[in-house]
Amino acid sequence: GENVEQHPSTLSVQEGDSAVIKCTYSDSASNYFPWYKQELGKRPQLIIDIRSNVGEKKDQRIAVTLNKTAKHFSLHITETQPEDSAVYFCAAQIKAAGNKLTFGGGTRVLVKP
Amino acid sequence: GAVVSQHPSWVICKSGTSVKIECRSLDFQATTMFWYRQFPKQSLMLMATSNEGSKATYEQGVEKDKFLINHASLTLSTLTVTSAHPEDSSFYICSALRAGETQYFGPGTRLLVL
Repeated sequence: GENVEQHPSTLSVQEGDSAVIKCTYSDSASNYFPWYKQELGKRPQLIIDIRSNVGEKKDQRIAVTLNKTAKHFSLHITETQPEDSAVYFCAAQIKAAGNKLTFGGGTRVLVKP
Repeated sequence: GAVVSQHPSWVICKSGTSVKIECRSLDFQATTMFWYRQFPKQSLMLMATSNEGSKATYEQGVEKDKFLINHASLTLSTLTVTSAHPEDSSFYICSALRAGETQYFGPGTRLLVL
């Protein structure tokens, strides 16, 4: 089955700096890659997603890149703010496998004011 | 849109009792919903896929007789933890699949079995 690796597991950045989280996946059939932000005790919230036919997508301070050949995708947060502090999960989905999501292990991001 | 509710938000029960958790998609129909379990400081682990009108598909290692799933309508799936034990204590989260692609998550149910 699909396996998703996520790095780093923790990330501490100064407010205003950028944060980058990287994920790799194993199954080339994966075709949809969402990113979720989860605050303590809350539900995962979709923050951005990218499909396999797109290499890059941007939404304000958040961007995601996808390299299908290398089977890796990354989340970039620019101009970080304290409210960006949370756990971020990448995931990979295979439509042909019933749209099951396989999650990475998560990255705990701390933005220091 | 894409609101998913979950009830109850938390529950404490005695060992050996059963607990039912409801997951509803409020503003869209979901033929497919998913149930996850999340232990502290860990990622989400898929337990099962719930399909409206058919039997759920369970992930390897998840006991289907212990975690009963019913998806009776396009907006409601239920998870019943039968004969709960302390090791079943966890954060249970459902998601609903919208437009055949994106999963939207419920707020989760924190279960504590004494």
